[in-house]
Amino acid sequence: DIQMTQSPSTLSASVGDRVTITCRASQSISSWLAWYQQKPGKAPNLLIYKASNLESGVPSRFSGSGSGTEFTLTISSLQPDDFATYYCQQYNNYRALTFGEGTKVEIK
Amino acid sequence: EVQLVESGGGWVQPGESLRLSCAASGFTFSSYWMNWVRQAPGKGLEWVANIKYDGGEEYYVDSVKGRFTIFRDNAKNSLYLQMNSLRVEDTAVYYCARDGVDAGVYFDSWGQGILVTVSS
Repeated sequence: DIQMTQSPSTLSASVGDRVTITCRASQSISSWLAWYQQKPGKAPNLLIYKASNLESGVPSRFSGSGSGTEFTLTISSLQPDDFATYYCQQYNNYRALTFGEGTKVEIK
Repeated sequence: EVQLVESGGGWVQPGESLRLSCAASGFTFSSYWMNWVRQAPGKGLEWVANIKYDGGEEYYVDSVKGRFTIFRDNAKNSLYLQMNSLRVEDTAVYYCARDGVDAGVYFDSWGQGILVTVSS
């Protein structure tokens, strides 16, 4: 199975900061990568699909980039509502879908 | 509006069985791959299983192969997960999730989740 490694595991930042989260795949997944945001006690919410496509209704401060094995999620100006845990997910192999371990964005 | 509502969770002892259900509405259920994703307490997300829109293909994470079965009833707009020989490590919140509208299997809509606790 394809392993997904996220870094950092925890990130401390302030409102207004530019934040970048990295996700690396154990083998090339082309652009078959999605990003999710999850708040405590809630279901995840899709932010980005196919590496860089913003899901409808998601604020434009979120963006995704990358292809092959290295991907990034960027929040251009962190807002109070953005403190949450973020997960990447590969779907290069739909028979064995895998997530990264998550990155928790905390208030500095 | 897409709605996914899980039911059937609860507490069971190791070795017992449980069936989860997911009632779908607000979209053409029979046109979408559907998935189960779980999250153990305090842990990350783990994809469990998925099933093709017509039920013709189904896939599982290795840890549940041979114990869990995903199936669907398109006439009832419902997705199911039959869980047999449950283990303590199957304890998690289980989410029903719809495949995204773009190519590939990602998750654009999620249910609220249902807790399954396996403990003696």
